[in-house]
Amino acid sequence: GAVVSQHPSRVICKSGTSVKIECRSLDFQATTMFWYRQFPKQSLMLMATSNEGSKATYEQGVEKDKFLINHASLTLSTLTVTSAHPEDSSFYICSAEPGNSYEQYFGPGTRLTVT
Amino acid sequence: QKEVEQNSGPLSVPEGAIASLNCTYSDRGSQSFFWYRQYSGKSPELIMSIYSNGDKEDGRFTAQLNKASQYVSLLIRDSQPSDSATYLCAAELYSGAGSYQLTFGKGTKLSVIP
Repeated sequence: GAVVSQHPSRVICKSGTSVKIECRSLDFQATTMFWYRQFPKQSLMLMATSNEGSKATYEQGVEKDKFLINHASLTLSTLTVTSAHPEDSSFYICSAEPGNSYEQYFGPGTRLTVT
Repeated sequence: QKEVEQNSGPLSVPEGAIASLNCTYSDRGSQSFFWYRQYSGKSPELIMSIYSNGDKEDGRFTAQLNKASQYVSLLIRDSQPSDSATYLCAAELYSGAGSYQLTFGKGTKLSVIP
């Protein structure tokens, strides 16, 4: 149980375009989902916390207009990187919290390369 | 500032030995603690959770919690080369306005030498 999927697993896009990443909890309902970013050889950085049906809470320094988050249902959250630039190239990982504990289950991640 | 601290390593142990990973946290009110394993290029995987003082064993893994000392550890017995990964400690820390947030340490890189 507690499986989280992400799609796509890898994406290459041109500078200035937008990319949408989907995160789904497959066998449980996630009241809260999280989006992280991880640069090579660095630690996880929380970008935002997403609650179903409400606006996401962004961490300090994360531009909410650049990283659009939608949590439309209890099993789906999306992250859209708008007007991507090469410095946005990173490993984006979502996680989901079932709601009865603080355990987070991570998706497999999406590797974004902006050329 | 609310923090979870880990030694970044790398921690090298020979195959078959016990690997000991340590973590401290800043919020005395924290109740939930987790260990994640992250292989290079992959996302973190939950391997242990612990909520009460003392030891919790699961196979070759033992998590230890000491709330008085604000200290959590993970022991890996009979370490295998496949255990080589970065281990992330996480604790639920108070984030204000009555809410708690899972906060991750920066991770300890473990290398098990054959």
